[in-house]
Amino acid sequence: GENVEQHPSTLSVQEGDSAVIKCTYSDSASNYFPWYKQELGKRPQLIIDIRSNVGEKKDQRIAVTLNKTAKHFSLHITETQPEDSAVYFCAAGESNSGYALNFGKGTSLLVTP
Amino acid sequence: GAGVSQTPSNKVTEKGKYVELRCDPISGHTALYWYRQSLGQGPEFLIYFQGTGAADDSGLPNDRFFAVRPEGSVSTLKIQRTERGDSAVYLCASSLNAGATGELFFGEGSRLTVL
Repeated sequence: GENVEQHPSTLSVQEGDSAVIKCTYSDSASNYFPWYKQELGKRPQLIIDIRSNVGEKKDQRIAVTLNKTAKHFSLHITETQPEDSAVYFCAAGESNSGYALNFGKGTSLLVTP
Repeated sequence: GAGVSQTPSNKVTEKGKYVELRCDPISGHTALYWYRQSLGQGPEFLIYFQGTGAADDSGLPNDRFFAVRPEGSVSTLKIQRTERGDSAVYLCASSLNAGATGELFFGEGSRLTVL
């Protein structure tokens, strides 16, 4: 089955700096790679996703890159703000399996003012 | 409804007891997923429904776990003979159509504690 590895497990940055979180996956059939943000005690919420036919996607301060050959994808947050502090999860899924996602273990991001 | 609703939000039970967790998905969403999240871990896939049928139950850890979705809307996750290792937050998610956008909308979860 799919195995998703995520690094780092914790990340602390100063407000205004950039944050990068990296993930690798094992199943070459995976073609959908979302990122979810989970604040303490809250539900995970989708912040951005990318499909295997695209190498990069950007939405304001958030961008995701995908390297299918190397089987890794990354989340980039620029101009970080304290409200970006949360746990971020990467995931991989495959459309033929109904997008049943395999999640990484998460990265706890702390943005200090 | 406006979002995915899960009940109960918290459940404390004793080892060996039977537990049911309920999920009410977003109206019109045909795909429904159950995940389990232990402390400090990512959500772990359990089972996925497309309509009334379980399209993929490969994540269910053993035969003590079972889920149903008899009318293609509300789903119930059933856990028999609970064990302490079953303690976790059980997350339900729904999706408009599993073959379309892929975005999962999660509920707030049901926190299960087995004493």
